[in-house]
Amino acid sequence: GIQVEQSPPDLILQEGANSTLRCNFSDSVNNLQWFHQNPWGQLINLFYIPSGTKQNGRLSATTVATERYSLLYISSSQTTDSGVYFCAVRTGTGGFKTIFGAGTRLFVKA
Amino acid sequence: DTGVSQDPRHKITKRGQNVTFRCDPISEHNRLYWYRQTLGQGPEFLTYFQNEAQLEKSRLLSDRFSAERPKGSFSTLEIQRTEQGDSAMYLCASRRGQAVTGELFFGEGSRLTVL
Repeated sequence: GIQVEQSPPDLILQEGANSTLRCNFSDSVNNLQWFHQNPWGQLINLFYIPSGTKQNGRLSATTVATERYSLLYISSSQTTDSGVYFCAVRTGTGGFKTIFGAGTRLFVKA
Repeated sequence: DTGVSQDPRHKITKRGQNVTFRCDPISEHNRLYWYRQTLGQGPEFLTYFQNEAQLEKSRLLSDRFSAERPKGSFSTLEIQRTEQGDSAMYLCASRRGQAVTGELFFGEGSRLTVL
């Protein structure tokens, strides 16, 4: 099945810094989402981005489907950005399931 | 707009007992998923429903696990004879759209602790 790799696995930032999280996938995808998991375990939808670029406030994402990767940019990070960021993909040949990467654990220091 | 709802949010049980979790998807979402997440890991797919039909099951779903979606609306996930290794967060998600398109939305999860 498809493999989803996220990097870096852990990231510590000073408040106000910028960061880039990466998601590589091993096969072509029909769907790609970025989620933020908060300390209570809830998965919050950030972007639904099978291709192209989207922006939402301080966050933006780019998916280059032909090269099998996606990037999540966080600018001017805040302590509330802390948590785990997951990339999740769905393929046309992998059935109906969405496959998650292992996540990037972000901690933003005040 | 009501999101995906899961109940109970927390469950503590003794090994060997049966537990059942309920998921109410977003209305009009015909596709429903169950995932399991253990500490430090990403969510792992368990099973998928399109309306009332269970179309896909993971090998993670042993014989002690059963899921239903009898009327194509809410779903239940039952674990029989629980084991300590079943301790995890059980997540439900739903979406609409075609077979492979559509944004997935998750509930807040049901956290299971097996003593």
